[in-house]
Amino acid sequence: EIVLTQSPATLSLSPGEGATLSCRASQSVDRYLAWYQQKPGQAPRLLIYDATNRATGIPARFSGSGSGTDFTLTISSLEPEDFAVYYCQQRSIWPRTFGPGTKVDIK
Amino acid sequence: EVQLVESGGGLVQPGGSLRLSCSASGLTFSSTVMHWVRLAPGKGLECLSAITSDAEGGSTHYADSVKGRFTISRDNSKNTLYLQMSSLGTEDTAIYYCVNRGSTGWYDHWGPGTLVTVSS
Repeated sequence: EIVLTQSPATLSLSPGEGATLSCRASQSVDRYLAWYQQKPGQAPRLLIYDATNRATGIPARFSGSGSGTDFTLTISSLEPEDFAVYYCQQRSIWPRTFGPGTKVDIK
Repeated sequence: EVQLVESGGGLVQPGGSLRLSCSASGLTFSSTVMHWVRLAPGKGLECLSAITSDAEGGSTHYADSVKGRFTISRDNSKNTLYLQMSSLGTEDTAIYYCVNRGSTGWYDHWGPGTLVTVSS
């Protein structure tokens, strides 16, 4: 099983600031990595897939980078609705696994 | 618009069984790969099981944590996905989501989830 590690666990920022979230895989997943956003009481929402592609309807302030074992989700300027938990996921090998999440909260 | 709606969650005693259902609309259900994912309290997301389309052989896959206890199935005539759960333990307490593997190859669409609580 591929283990995904996310850092930091919590990121405290103010609206308008930029955010950089990291995800590291225990072995190479090539570019088979996605990022999801989850808000309390809601299902997760796909943000980025195949490491760099924005999903339908996702604003341009969200971007993804990386390949192999190291990946980054960048939010260029936080909007109030961006404060949430972010998970990375791999689909290189079954079972698809998720990282433990990074919580972005308001400073 | 794709809609997935789970049902069947509730309170069950340890060792008990439960069957979850997921009603799908807005997609060609028989042609799509479907998954079950859960979110346990204080834990992250966990992919539990997947079933391919009939055209792909209807094969099933399970995470080790549920293998031998959970069974995924589908009824294409009813556009419905199922998860039969048995030998439930307190560690199975979670919100269970029905998920569609969309055209991106990823979890494009999620249901709102159904809560399963395992407790005596």
